[in-house]
Amino acid sequence: AQRVTQPEKLLSVFKGAPVELKCNYSYSGSPELFWYVQYSRQRLQLLLRHISRESIKGFTADLNKGETSFHLKKPFAQEEDSAMYYCALSSRGGSEKLVFGKGMKLTVNP
Amino acid sequence: GAGVSQSPSNKVTEKGKDVELRCDPISGHTALYWYRQRLGQGLEFLIYFQGNSAPDKSGLPSDRFSAERTGESVSTLTIQRTQQEDSAVYLCASSSQGGLAGGYTFGSGTRLTVV
Repeated sequence: AQRVTQPEKLLSVFKGAPVELKCNYSYSGSPELFWYVQYSRQRLQLLLRHISRESIKGFTADLNKGETSFHLKKPFAQEEDSAMYYCALSSRGGSEKLVFGKGMKLTVNP
Repeated sequence: GAGVSQSPSNKVTEKGKDVELRCDPISGHTALYWYRQRLGQGLEFLIYFQGNSAPDKSGLPSDRFSAERTGESVSTLTIQRTQQEDSAVYLCASSSQGGLAGGYTFGSGTRLTVV
């Protein structure tokens, strides 16, 4: 079965500090991993996906198949990064539904 | 439309009543998904529609839940004989290429409260 674990519910840092939002997954096949973000009073939106190997808003995430992880990182957090972050996994083929973690609230203090 | 539209945005209903939630996806998006998010929980997959294929209903929690979609247009999620544990935010998302390539575009959700 597919499973996504975000071990921490809350993370609070000061502006300029590095952040790492942890995500571990369980899936026997070849997964596709995503990070979604929900800013205050806004809709859930795609932040980045591992297949694109892109950096969005300074965030990066590397898929580590050995550790079954897809941690989200940013070297210098900004106040506008404060939001809920959800890690999600999809299997190749099939119905392509996303399995989400429970989310993590990031607060960046001034 | 410009985005995924869901209605109503809020719904309060009495236990035992039926409710119908509506999702209007982005025009041209063939894939449509329903998720449920209970307080403090992650998004729980309910059902997936892809074009004219048979829907993936594997996430529906009980036979009180059903959903329909005609072609690539509006979808309705119906909950019969609502229970208090059905209280949650129900999110709809659509995608042009399925979840892998295009990612999802989410609606703002319907907050359902069963009293």
